[in-house]
Parts: sequence; structure tokens; C-alpha cells
Amino acid sequence: DAKTTQPPSMDCAEGRAANLPCNHSTISGNEYVYWYRQIHSQGPQYIIHGLKNNETNEMASLIITEDRKSSTLILPHATLRDTAVYYCIVRLHNTDKLIFGTGTRLQVFP
Amino acid sequence: DSGVTQTPKHLITATGQRVTLRCSPRSGDLSVYWYQQSLDQGLQFLIQYYNGEERAKGNILERFSAQQFPDLHSELNLSSLELGDSALYFCASSAQAGGGEQYFGPGTRLTVT
Repeated sequence: DAKTTQPPSMDCAEGRAANLPCNHSTISGNEYVYWYRQIHSQGPQYIIHGLKNNETNEMASLIITEDRKSSTLILPHATLRDTAVYYCIVRLHNTDKLIFGTGTRLQVFP
Repeated sequence: DSGVTQTPKHLITATGQRVTLRCSPRSGDLSVYWYQQSLDQGLQFLIQYYNGEERAKGNILERFSAQQFPDLHSELNLSSLELGDSALYFCASSAQAGGGEQYFGPGTRLTVT
């Protein structure tokens, strides 16, 4: 079973920041937080991952709370092409499979 | 483009039949994963191969089997197909045996009639 809880859907205006929350209250010390997204029925796309420090790459920023029980994925300037289902996944770094939950459907509107 | 290729893109077949889905991982990646996405079950991990050897198994039915060849491409074989096997089947690859980013292919849409 997925170990994360995400809101089923969110809206965001184009050009604004999209902040997608994720609760993972049972996360253990050696588990990472991964984010993937799936645009329509395409293959999921890796976005970012982190352990306890905040992370940033060209796609997004990941903010993890100090107690590591929740995190937020930030898309700084959402575009229409960011409309997708976003999955937050908790995972041991050396394990193999990804366990997908139901994710958050982000709708970016003009 | 993730660099992972899957063929065919679409497959329509009848119940009871057998099909083979093919996946070529990104250049240099040794791990291949198979996932199934159906409307009622979401994305589910099926099986992983690393450098030709089975490494992890998920919710894969006994009617399904997979293998990874010396050139690292992988095939997923689905037999005695049922209506409920209709789904998107994704292949992903990664450089490592475990952990790290997985890069997904575009998927094969299987329709069983």
C-alpha cells in the first residue's frame, strides 16, 4: 500500500506557483520522498527526490518538513503543460519498485 | 523522450490469446521494470530484471512472465488473456539494481475483447 496521502485534485492559474502537498507521517529515517508525474496516459516522469534537505532542480522544488512527516512539491511558474497527475512516493533508496498511490490531479488553467 | 522504447503502442486481441510486449531500456541501464496501469487498480509494479536476472516480483499473475535478454531488452509475455488484463503496460529502466530514478517508456495499450 502507498504510504502517502495527497489531495485528489488541485487547480492553479497559469504563471502562478503550484504547491502540491503530501503527507507521509509513517516515513522512516532511511526512506526518501520521490515525486513523479503522469501527463494524460503517457509514461510517468521523474521530477525530484529528497531525504531531509530541501531540493531544487530545473523542474521543481521539494520542501520537506523538519519532522519529515510531510512535504510540498513546488512548480514555481505553472504552465498548461504541467497539467498532470502528480504522485508522491516514499521509498527506501535501495529498493526497486515504486508504489504509486492515487496522486493529485493538477489542472492548470489560463 | 525518456530514451525507453516500447512496442507495440497498441494491441487488440481476444480472450484466451497470448501476446508479447517488448521494451528497450535507455542506453547503459541494466534494470528493467514492468508496471500495469488499469482503471480500477492504478499503477502497479509487476516485475524487475537486473542484468538478465529476475530481481523483484510484485503483483504479477502466474499467466504473465518476463525475461531480459543479453542485449538488455525485455519482453513481457501475457497468456490466457482475460478481459481484465486490458490495461496500459509500462516499462521503465534505471542504471542501478535498486533505487535511483526510473525512466518510463510510452507504454503499450492492451485491449482484450
